[in-house]
Amino acid sequence: AQSVTQPDIHITVSEGASLELRCNYSYGATPYLFWYVQSPGQGLQLLLKYFSGDTLVQGIKGFEAEFKRSQSSFNLRKPSVHWSDAAEYFCAVAPGYNNNDMRFGAGTRLTVKP
Amino acid sequence: DAGVTQSPTHLIKTRGQQVTLRCSPISGHKSVSWYQQVLGQGPQFIFQYYEKEERGRGNFPDRFSARQFPNYSSELNVNALLLGDSALYLCASSLSGGPSVTEAFFGQGTRLTVV
Repeated sequence: AQSVTQPDIHITVSEGASLELRCNYSYGATPYLFWYVQSPGQGLQLLLKYFSGDTLVQGIKGFEAEFKRSQSSFNLRKPSVHWSDAAEYFCAVAPGYNNNDMRFGAGTRLTVKP
Repeated sequence: DAGVTQSPTHLIKTRGQQVTLRCSPISGHKSVSWYQQVLGQGPQFIFQYYEKEERGRGNFPDRFSARQFPNYSSELNVNALLLGDSALYLCASSLSGGPSVTEAFFGQGTRLTVV
């Protein structure tokens, strides 16, 4: 069965600093991978997704993620964090035939210091 | 265009009661999925419906049921509510639920509190 691990429950970075959020997945075949962001009391917004092809994917709001099959990882990065990036970030994996049956990690809460 | 709409936004129920949550997908989307998000955790997959048929079910008891209507809107029903059912219930819609992979769009959720 597919599963996702986000090792960091909470991360604090200073505004303008770089960011990397870790995600490790377990899945028997080629997974479809996603990063979502959730602001307090809100639904989920898709930041980026990986289906195939180039292992470095660009998303919205200046985020990018790199798929590394050998490490079963799909880490999210941003070169310079803005105060508005403070939110909860979720990594998710889905089987290749149905992206609606997504399995989410527990999330990483990002705090941005002024 | 309207996004995924869920109703109600909040509700409070008593243990043992039944609740119905509603979701209207984005126009043209035929697939609806339901997720439960307990405070402090990631969303957990409950159901997926596509073209009015159940396409997937997560590890939830039979107290949870859902259906999809001809207009592709969906209802999630939970019977015999338990305190542990308190959560944010999220609905996601996408163009298809089959082999083609399309983006899932989430609604704002319904916050259910069971007392």
